[in-house]
Amino acid sequence: EAQVTQNPRYLITVTGKKLTVTCSQNMNHEYMSWYRQDPGLGLRQIYYSMNVEVTDKGDVPEGYKVSRKEKRNFPLILESPSPNQTSLYFCASSPRERRAYEQYFGPGTRLTVT
Amino acid sequence: QKEVEQDPGPLSVPEGAIVSLNCTYSNSAFQYFMWYRQYSRKGPELLMYTYSSGNKEDGRFTAQVDKSSKYISLFIRDSQPSDSATYLCAMSSGGTSYGKLTFGQGTILTVHP
Repeated sequence: EAQVTQNPRYLITVTGKKLTVTCSQNMNHEYMSWYRQDPGLGLRQIYYSMNVEVTDKGDVPEGYKVSRKEKRNFPLILESPSPNQTSLYFCASSPRERRAYEQYFGPGTRLTVT
Repeated sequence: QKEVEQDPGPLSVPEGAIVSLNCTYSNSAFQYFMWYRQYSRKGPELLMYTYSSGNKEDGRFTAQVDKSSKYISLFIRDSQPSDSATYLCAMSSGGTSYGKLTFGQGTILTVHP
């Protein structure tokens, strides 16, 4: 089944404890992206990747890191999480950057930072 | 001011009604206009996209873009309870920024039987 998977689905952590949220797609897509969704603010793009080893900032990149070493994987790293990073995170992929309007989203990861 | 503004609703309509969802934007560079639907506890899924101005129809759904007014709309005809979801507009400018998408806040729609 063609899909985007994220792990973990739920995570509760403490301030300052480094964490990684994994994202993987099995559709051979070139483009991948990370979003956070907060009430009243909608979806906001954190980082996106046009292809392996090529990444760029979205609207809210502060406090996050990404890497794209393999085509199928695009992990999101929080080096020192803070309570304002409590949110619902979505990973998405698209066949290529020029078709980024057509994104396939994962199921989401709900992160709570205390 | 947000680049993309969307009335969060919530919007509640009876089954069979025509629903109109709207977004306004300020960035005149936007060229691609999308509507995503998000069911509760799920990721968004693409409903329709439009390039530049004009209308696009897909079954009960019609997307309209008016670039002169910086205004986009999604119309749902003969709405069904299964249309109950959050609807998100999204935009991108293409060029060197195809991959950078800006979303509206989302409108919560409930269609009651």
